[in-house]
Amino acid sequence: AQRVTQPEKLLSVFKGAPVELKCNYSYSGSPELFWYVQYSRQRLQLLLRHISRESIKGFTADLNKGETSFHLKKPFAQEEDSAMYYCALLPISARQLTFGSGTQLTVLP
Amino acid sequence: DVKVTQSSRYLVKRTGEKVFLECVQDMDHENMFWYRQDPGLGLRLIYFSYDVKMKEKGDIPEGYSVSREKKERFSLILESASTNQTSMYLCASSSSLTPPGELFFGEGSRLTVL
Repeated sequence: AQRVTQPEKLLSVFKGAPVELKCNYSYSGSPELFWYVQYSRQRLQLLLRHISRESIKGFTADLNKGETSFHLKKPFAQEEDSAMYYCALLPISARQLTFGSGTQLTVLP
Repeated sequence: DVKVTQSSRYLVKRTGEKVFLECVQDMDHENMFWYRQDPGLGLRLIYFSYDVKMKEKGDIPEGYSVSREKKERFSLILESASTNQTSMYLCASSSSLTPPGELFFGEGSRLTVL
């Protein structure tokens, strides 16, 4: 069975500092990986997916198959980035996501 | 915009009560999901459905059942609520026609079982 691990429950950085939220996965095939975000009092929503290789709100994530990682990065954190971030994995031919335990990011002024 | 609506935002129930959590989506999505969200545990899949009257167990189905009589509606049922079912419940939907993995979530139903 697949598994997604987010080792940091809480992460605090200062505004303008780089931020990296870690995500590791275990899965025997080639999964699709996603980052979801939940801002305070808002719905959980998709932030980005690895397959589209896009940058959303300054965030990027690279799939490293050798290290089975999909870390989320942003070079200069902003206070509005404070939120709960979930890494998620979609197995081949599946429709249901497996989520990690989440990382609460706080960007300090 | 896809809208997923969970009818009850906050519920307080007593142990042993039967609880219904309702979820409706308005975008004709085939797939619907129920997750529970707990601090430190993330989102865990309870049940999901790919079609009307179809259901499949997720990772933690024990103590829950679901109903999908219409495409737009997916109900989560707690036959006999217990205190360990106190949690935030999230409903989500997705389309089979768009890239997989993009789930649209409701605002959540926070259930407290006393």
